Amino acid sequence: DTGVSQDPRHKITKRGQNVTFRCDPISEHNRLYWYRQTLGQGPEFLTYFQNEAQLEKSRLLSDRFSAERPKGSFSTLEIQRTEQGDSAMYLCASHNSERGLFSGANVLTFGAGSRLTVL
Amino acid sequence: AQTVTQSQPEMSVQEAETVTLSCTYDTSENNYYLFWYKQPPSRQMILVIRQEAYKQQNATENRFSVNFQKAAKSFSLKISDSQLGDTAMYFCAFMKGDSSYTLIFGSGTRLLVRP
Repeated sequence: DTGVSQDPRHKITKRGQNVTFRCDPISEHNRLYWYRQTLGQGPEFLTYFQNEAQLEKSRLLSDRFSAERPKGSFSTLEIQRTEQGDSAMYLCASHNSERGLFSGANVLTFGAGSRLTVL
Repeated sequence: AQTVTQSQPEMSVQEAETVTLSCTYDTSENNYYLFWYKQPPSRQMILVIRQEAYKQQNATENRFSVNFQKAAKSFSLKISDSQLGDTAMYFCAFMKGDSSYTLIFGSGTRLLVRP
């Protein structure tokens, strides 16, 4: 269990640019979740995948946001035409739903996050 | 829709003392789970303790325990014998008892343990 990895850890970009974040979940985890955490707030759900299928999307996931998990392993979250309001920490979490909710110590295992700063 | 409210933005406690963090939630669901997560500075979120709504007994994990009041929709976290390593953001979270496993978080409480 090498944990959930996220890359890059910090991205600074100018308004209007596109950015992409990558998440590598724990290898046997079929579920992958994306959350957004703005400063001083708790994480907010964006979307989740089961294997390669995107099963749920939040209203927070505007048309400028797209997430993929093409082979059911790693996932990418792309933000097009970034705005200053997109500045946040983007968290990824994974879970093996086939073993039940409490199969692991952490329920959902979170990565350390990718912090986006839009200037 | 479910909501989670943490009314204490910041708390401070002396090392070795006990502190209680508050959380209330709103839901019309009967089957759900509640969690407390810890987020140390610049580190990933980890689960502290969980409570199944159908269980009347309050969950306990070593120095951490909860006071789950289902009728009042209250779920507080008590940390006993506070340690410097307990300094972190603490988030209360709600999960419906369906198969999506999506979490709804409160706004968090920043806990500082003073030496």
